[in-house]
Amino acid sequence: KAGVTQTPRYLIKTRGQQVTLSCSPISGHRSVSWYQQTPGQGLQFLFEYFSETQRNKGNFPGRFSGRQFSNSRSEMNVSTLELGDSALYLCASSLGSPYSNQPQHFGDGTRLSIL
Amino acid sequence: SQELEQSPQSLIVQEGKNLTINCTSSKTLYGLYWYKQKYGEGLIFLMMLQKGGEEKSHEKITAKLDEKKQQSSLHITASQPSHAGIYLCGAVGGSQGNLIFGKGTKLSVKP
Repeated sequence: KAGVTQTPRYLIKTRGQQVTLSCSPISGHRSVSWYQQTPGQGLQFLFEYFSETQRNKGNFPGRFSGRQFSNSRSEMNVSTLELGDSALYLCASSLGSPYSNQPQHFGDGTRLSIL
Repeated sequence: SQELEQSPQSLIVQEGKNLTINCTSSKTLYGLYWYKQKYGEGLIFLMMLQKGGEEKSHEKITAKLDEKKQQSSLHITASQPSHAGIYLCGAVGGSQGNLIFGKGTKLSVKP
């Protein structure tokens, strides 16, 4: 069974640009969550999608947005990039929400560097 | 909101030695997850604990959730270089019902 696939693995952008990251969940998983990981803040929750609906959103500015398609694939978009957006962005999929005690399975992430 | 504190922050052990990593929650845990991460890569799911007193093992790694459900420990027996990485604990505790994570414990195993 294929794992969670994230593309691209690496990305370099400049301030002010926008970026779209992609995530393909494990087959059959309908919940997709996104996280930002930085050395200072650790893993921080961005948002969660289930059946094309955003169920939860973390404490990030509106520049961070996402969506989920009918095949459960998800994208996240960051507009007007800032230097502080440099991070490893991780996507995780699961059968249900965290409250359903279904473990999340993570992709290898997209390393985003802002120049 | 809930917070998870891991200790120690980093650990260097000689190959073959045993070690323990702790994860302490500021509130009762209703599900505790352990993950391992290699630098710059994704998180690998290790184990999930739900009930107080529950203990699970996988190969040489054992995790336990204490009776009061506010602390979990991860124990590695006879460590190997393949055990090196960052170990993170996660739990449902965010204000949006999302998973929150500890800052991680970096483990190095010297051959």
